[in-house]
Amino acid sequence: AQSVSQHNHHVILSEAASLELGCNYSYGGTVNLFWDVQYPGQHLQLLLKYFSGDPLVKGIKGFEAEFIKSKFSFNLRKPSVQWSDTAEYFCAVNADNAGNMLTFGGGTRLMVKP
Amino acid sequence: DVKVTQSSRYLVKRTGEKVFLECVQDMDHENMFWYRQDPGLGLRLIYFSYDVKMKEKGDIPEGYSVSREKKERFSLILESASTNQTSMYLCASSFQGAVQPQHFGDGTRLSIL
Repeated sequence: AQSVSQHNHHVILSEAASLELGCNYSYGGTVNLFWDVQYPGQHLQLLLKYFSGDPLVKGIKGFEAEFIKSKFSFNLRKPSVQWSDTAEYFCAVNADNAGNMLTFGGGTRLMVKP
Repeated sequence: DVKVTQSSRYLVKRTGEKVFLECVQDMDHENMFWYRQDPGLGLRLIYFSYDVKMKEKGDIPEGYSVSREKKERFSLILESASTNQTSMYLCASSFQGAVQPQHFGDGTRLSIL
């Protein structure tokens, strides 16, 4: 079974700082990759996704993620965070042998200080 | 807008009770999912269903069962609740063949005393 690791459980940044959240997965085959975000008191929602093509994916709200196949990684980045980015971020992987099943990472809680 | 509705936001039950968590979606989605969310562990899939009366085990099905008698409704059942099942439970749905987006409900925070 595949596993997904998010190495940072809690991240605290000041506004305008740059953000990078790590995500690594264990499956060696073809994968679809996702970052989801859960703002306080809200549903989990999709931030960005990678299926194929350009490994640098742009998402909503200025986020991007880079798929590096050789490193089994899909790190999330934002050049300048805002207070409104305070949320919990989840990396998720769908392996080609898993149908519609997603495996989620443990989540990273980001707090941005105003 | 897709709506996934979970019947309770907060629920407190006792050890050994049979617990039902209900989820209804209004977008005619084929796929429905039950996850539990625990700090540091993210979302873990308990069961999912890709059609009426069809169900598949997820990563942590032990201690749970599910029922999908109608397309719009997916129930999670704790046959005999235990304290280690205290958690946030999230229901989600999606179209057939769509891995994401999964549309999530508000969650049910279940406490087993």
